[in-house]
Amino acid sequence: QKEVEQDPGPLSVPEGAIVSLNCTYSNSAFQYFMWYRQYSRKGPELLMYTYSSGNKEDGRFTAQVDKSSKYISLFIRDSQPSDSATYLCAMRYSSASKIIFGSGTRLSIRP
Amino acid sequence: DAGVIQSPRHEVTEMGQEVTLRCKPISGHNSLFWYRQTMMRGLELLIYFNNNVPIDDSGMPEDRFSAKMPNASFSTLKIQPSEPRDSAVYFCASSFRGTGDTDTQYFGPGTRLTVL
Repeated sequence: QKEVEQDPGPLSVPEGAIVSLNCTYSNSAFQYFMWYRQYSRKGPELLMYTYSSGNKEDGRFTAQVDKSSKYISLFIRDSQPSDSATYLCAMRYSSASKIIFGSGTRLSIRP
Repeated sequence: DAGVIQSPRHEVTEMGQEVTLRCKPISGHNSLFWYRQTMMRGLELLIYFNNNVPIDDSGMPEDRFSAKMPNASFSTLKIQPSEPRDSAVYFCASSFRGTGDTDTQYFGPGTRLTVL
């Protein structure tokens, strides 16, 4: 079993829809949770970074962490074609430990 | 800020040849990471350096892979001899890691390696 599981998609939604992306993990020792966005033929870029459980909002993006269920989510409101990319969840045990990435979900927003 | 710079962007080589990938981290960053991304295995950490010193190379697949960081502004990842299963996109990332701080890693554009 992988430490971090993520549905690869692809996920296709119409412009303006709310998108929900999710990951599950197996090790309760993870403390830091991240979402990266990767456009085609580019490197990943950090989108959201949260510590422990709870919600964090940044513009149209909301990250949720439920440590009791070992489940994290990324919500995108009012989705735009420019949001079309692969989204990777990631997590780490401590602030300095190596990052473990999910396999990524490919998202397409239809105009 | 130019970001993390990697070269070459694309490399096609034949099995058995030596391959050298290069990375210039963001100026002022003290940590450097080499990752490999494939469809099968996703994004995996190969090795990382802190203040030019290798800290964790447990992700390096085998002895054919080696990495160096001779100074704060340059690192190489070498594969010798290369094999078709080494075909992947190799990313370099850098960050500034202070005492007790959590760090944000900035990724380069990657080198797409194809070994025939």
